Amino acid sequence: DVKVTQSSRYLVKRTGEKVFLECVQDMDHENMFWYRQDPGLGLRLIYFSYDVKMKEKGDIPEGYSVSREKKERFSLILESASTNQTSMYLCASSLNRDLPHFGNGTRLTVT
Amino acid sequence: GENVEQHPSTLSVQEGDSAVIKCTYSDSASNYFPWYKQELGKRPQLIIDIRSNVGEKKDQRIAVTLNKTAKHFSLHITETQPEDSAVYFCAAAGEGTYKYIFGTGTRLKVLA
Repeated sequence: DVKVTQSSRYLVKRTGEKVFLECVQDMDHENMFWYRQDPGLGLRLIYFSYDVKMKEKGDIPEGYSVSREKKERFSLILESASTNQTSMYLCASSLNRDLPHFGNGTRLTVT
Repeated sequence: GENVEQHPSTLSVQEGDSAVIKCTYSDSASNYFPWYKQELGKRPQLIIDIRSNVGEKKDQRIAVTLNKTAKHFSLHITETQPEDSAVYFCAAAGEGTYKYIFGTGTRLKVLA
């Protein structure tokens, strides 16, 4: 069974802080994704990566960056957290064009 | 780019009745259409998917239909049970892409 692990379940940060959200998958998947989930807006793609050191912008990349130094790990970075980045963040991974498997999510609150 | 619209946003049904959730997509090149179920406090989990070379797929009480001409697909749940209560998301992706675009979700409540 695919396991996608997000390092934190809940996170509280202050405005202006640099925030790292970590995601690790154990199935040697090429593709990894970061989504943001907000009520009424569904799951919106922030960034995705189809290989080590490769990344592509999703639909809402502003205010975020990502890092994929190793195949199993995909990090989402908020350079300077703002209150409108308070949200649930979901990491996912997939093999080739298979369907994404999701982690349990990180609920980030920016105060 | 792809845009996926999902309706309704909330749906309440009596236990034993059927539930239908509909999605439309904009990119005619899309041909992968999964459905995810997210229970409260848990991760979205894939429950069924359909590819563009079929019009309907069933798995026990769950079925998905696809109309490529009209660019819409639907999830049908029959004989609903309280454990079907969750948020359901549809998604779409095109051939050769890893990028799945999700709908806004439907909160289904099955009333006992």
